[in-house]
Amino acid sequence: DAKTTQPTSMDCAEGRAANLPCNHSTISGNEYVYWYRQIHSQGPQYIIHGLKNNETNEMASLIITEDRKSSTLILPHATLRDTAVYYCIVFRNNNDMRFGAGTRLTVKP
Amino acid sequence: NAGVTQTPKFQVLKTGQSMTLQCAQDMNHEYMSWYRQDPGMGLRLIHYSVGAGITDQGEVPNGYNVSRSTTEDFPLRLLSAAPSQTSVYFCASSYHRTGGDYGYTFGSGTRLTVV
Repeated sequence: DAKTTQPTSMDCAEGRAANLPCNHSTISGNEYVYWYRQIHSQGPQYIIHGLKNNETNEMASLIITEDRKSSTLILPHATLRDTAVYYCIVFRNNNDMRFGAGTRLTVKP
Repeated sequence: NAGVTQTPKFQVLKTGQSMTLQCAQDMNHEYMSWYRQDPGMGLRLIHYSVGAGITDQGEVPNGYNVSRSTTEDFPLRLLSAAPSQTSVYFCASSYHRTGGDYGYTFGSGTRLTVV
C-alpha cells in the first residue's frame, strides 16, 4: 500500500473551512483514498472515500489531484465538534487498512 | 440498531491471566476486525475476518487468538496477558474488506490495563 504523509497538527477557526492535506505520491491505480476521524477516545468514524474523482457527502468533500499523488479533505464549516484526529488512508482490496498518526485538527472559537 | 458493541469497556488484568474481549454487530456485515491503539499512536490491525469461519492475521497478531463462528460475533482472546498488551482495543465491521461505500463501523473500544 502507498504511504501517506499528513501534517501532525492544524488549527482552524470555528465557522471557517478546514482543509486537511494528505500526500500519497506512491499511490497506484487501484488504490482508494479513505478518510476517517477519531474524536477524543472514541472509535474512528468513516468520513469519505474516493478513487479518482472528487467526492462530496453530508460531512465533507474530498479533492483528489489529477495525478492522484495528493488529496485534501475539506470540512466546509468547521465546528468545535470537528476537533479530532483525521486519518488519510490509501489501500486496495485484499490488503489491510492501516492507520498512521493522522492530523490533529483543533477548531478554535 | 446497535451497530458494533464491545464488552467490557474497561478491564484490568494481572500478568499471565487470560480473557476474551467481545465484539458483536447487528448489521449483517461480513468483514470484522480488531485493532489496538497505544497512546499517541494510530491503530494497528491485530486480526480480521472476511466471513464466518474465516480469519487471518494482521500486523500485530502475536499473543491474540480469534474465531468467527457466526456472522455477528468476533471475540478476541488474550492467551496470557502481558503489560505490553495494555492498550485500547477497537472492533470494526463492514460489508466489505475495503469498507465499501459506508466505511468501517467501529465500536467504542475496550480499555485494557495489564499489571
